[in-house]
Amino acid sequence: QKEVEQNSGPLSVPEGAIASLNCTYSDRVSQSFFWYRQYSGKSPELIMSIYSNGDKEDGRFTAQLNKASQYVSLLIRDSQPSDSATYLCAVNHGGSNYKLTFGKGTLLTVNP
Amino acid sequence: DTAVSQTPKYLVTQMGNDKSIKCEQNLGHDTMYWYKQDSKKFLKIMFSYNNKELIINETVPNRFSPKSPDKAHLNLHINSLELGDSAVYFCASSPIGLSSATGELFFGEGSRLTVL
Repeated sequence: QKEVEQNSGPLSVPEGAIASLNCTYSDRVSQSFFWYRQYSGKSPELIMSIYSNGDKEDGRFTAQLNKASQYVSLLIRDSQPSDSATYLCAVNHGGSNYKLTFGKGTLLTVNP
Repeated sequence: DTAVSQTPKYLVTQMGNDKSIKCEQNLGHDTMYWYKQDSKKFLKIMFSYNNKELIINETVPNRFSPKSPDKAHLNLHINSLELGDSAVYFCASSPIGLSSATGELFFGEGSRLTVL
């Protein structure tokens, strides 16, 4: 099993809809979970971090973590064309403080 | 003022050559990283350094040699370049590993290496 898995997409949603991005991870020791956004030709930027089971909301973004299922997701409400990007799930695999393991990313396209 | 800066942004070179990429951060962070992003956008860690000390070496060929002269700089030297080395190399930093409040990695703009 890959360390961090995501559906590669592309995921296409209409403007104003909810985009749902999913990620699973293999190591139960992992403690820190992140969602990064990467626009084409740019560097990744952090949009959400989550450390405890449950939901964490920040504006239009909600991260959800379920450690028992080894699952983390990102919901984007009221999707905008500017949200079109690749979303990378990242996990401190093995509980390491010095290694962030990324999934292969999900390409999201929001259609006007 | 750029927080994490890498130079050069683009390198085009022939197989077998040697090249270096430099990285500097002015955020006062203790930890720096090199990540490689291949053509399929897969971002994979290569090295991490904490306060000039190598912490992670992720089974990278020894043609790749990182050097950290001080905690604000992490350079990457690549010997005998191969076609498969073509990728975007990202430098990143974080305050104290990932144990800071956000665990955020601050990425440089990337250096696109093309090996012909």
